[in-house]
Amino acid sequence: KQEVTQIPAALSVPEGENLVLNCSFTDSAIYNLQWFRQDPGKGLTSLLLIQSSQREQTSGRLNASLDKSSGRSTLYIAASQPGDSATYLCAVPPLYNTDKLIFGTGTRLQVFP
Amino acid sequence: DAGVIQSPRHEVTEMGQEVTLRCKPISGHNSLFWYRQTMMRGLELLIYFNNNVPIDDSGMPEDRFSAKMPNASFSTLKIQPSEPRDSAVYFCASSWGGGPYEQFFGPGTRLTVL
Repeated sequence: KQEVTQIPAALSVPEGENLVLNCSFTDSAIYNLQWFRQDPGKGLTSLLLIQSSQREQTSGRLNASLDKSSGRSTLYIAASQPGDSATYLCAVPPLYNTDKLIFGTGTRLQVFP
Repeated sequence: DAGVIQSPRHEVTEMGQEVTLRCKPISGHNSLFWYRQTMMRGLELLIYFNNNVPIDDSGMPEDRFSAKMPNASFSTLKIQPSEPRDSAVYFCASSWGGGPYEQFFGPGTRLTVL
């Protein structure tokens, strides 16, 4: 059974810092890996989707990497801003059921001015 | 595009009452997902529709929960009778092509059962 873990559970940093959020999964047989952002009281917004054959994906100040063999993904946020404050979740659709996203528990990020 | 629309945004009801949550997916998407989010269990997939047909309902907690998708632009999740442990945020999401493809989430319905 696929399990997804995110470390740290919470993070508080001053504006301008570069950040790394971690996502670990127990079964490397995944279709892809997705990173989402959730603002308080809101739904999830898709940030990046990395196919299983890719090593990384970039969007603006965000860069996500994937190492399937070690069961890890990292989300790198450059030059963090207060507007980046949110909960970040990673999710994987396992190959045994690609319709089902297995979500991590999330990292709650606060960036203060 | 207005995105995924859910109603109501907040629902407070008493134990034993029937609750109906509604979702309008993004036009053109052929897959619709109902999720539940709680502090204890995180985000869980309840049921998934493809082309209006339920494909996987293994996440539906018990018979008190039912979901329908009568057409491509509307789905409901019904809880009857509701219990306090059903209190959670319920999200609807849609995508083109199924689970592994980018999913677009609605704002959620916060359900409180007293």
